[in-house]
Amino acid sequence: QKEVEQDPGPLSVPEGAIVSLNCTYSNSAFQYFMWYRQYSRKGPELLMYTYSSGNKEDGRFTAQVDKSSKYISLFIRDSQPSDSATYLCASNDYKLSFGAGTTVTVRA
Amino acid sequence: GAVVSQHPSWVICKSGTSVKIECRSLDFQATTMFWYRQFPKQSLMLMATSNEGSKATYEQGVEKDKFLINHASLTLSTLTVTSAHPEDSSFYICSATGTGSGSYEQYFGPGTRLTVT
Repeated sequence: QKEVEQDPGPLSVPEGAIVSLNCTYSNSAFQYFMWYRQYSRKGPELLMYTYSSGNKEDGRFTAQVDKSSKYISLFIRDSQPSDSATYLCASNDYKLSFGAGTTVTVRA
Repeated sequence: GAVVSQHPSWVICKSGTSVKIECRSLDFQATTMFWYRQFPKQSLMLMATSNEGSKATYEQGVEKDKFLINHASLTLSTLTVTSAHPEDSSFYICSATGTGSGSYEQYFGPGTRLTVT
């Protein structure tokens, strides 16, 4: 069983829609939860990270962590075509464990 | 800040030859660097972790004699794929963390696409 599970999609939404991405994890020791954005043939870019349970907002992006259910979410409001990318969730103990990544396409 | 570069961005080599990939932290001192491999439509898989001046720690299933990692300075780590074979063709990505940072604060390079013919 992978430590971080993520539905690979793909996910296609119209411009302006809310994008909802989810992951689950199995390791109770995980404390930090990250979301990365990766464009094709590029390295991942850290979008935001959350420590323990709770919400964190950064512009159009909101990350949520529910440690009781081991559930990680990322919401993108007012999605734009430039948000089209693969989004990876990750968490860590001594190393990062990544989800499979969800490929998102925002249609103009 | 926190920029990581990789060179080359793309390399083609013949089976049996060796290839070296460089990873540099441009504006910070990278006490720890990580090397990942990513196959098409798959997630990043950690290959090894290296601390400056120490031997790299390899993940289970990664051949340390095939994937040689050197982290000789606080701004440079190299990955050498020795005796490359077509199955080594992949996207190799490095990341780095600075002094006092946790593993969650990794900054990634742009990746190197290796094709072995």
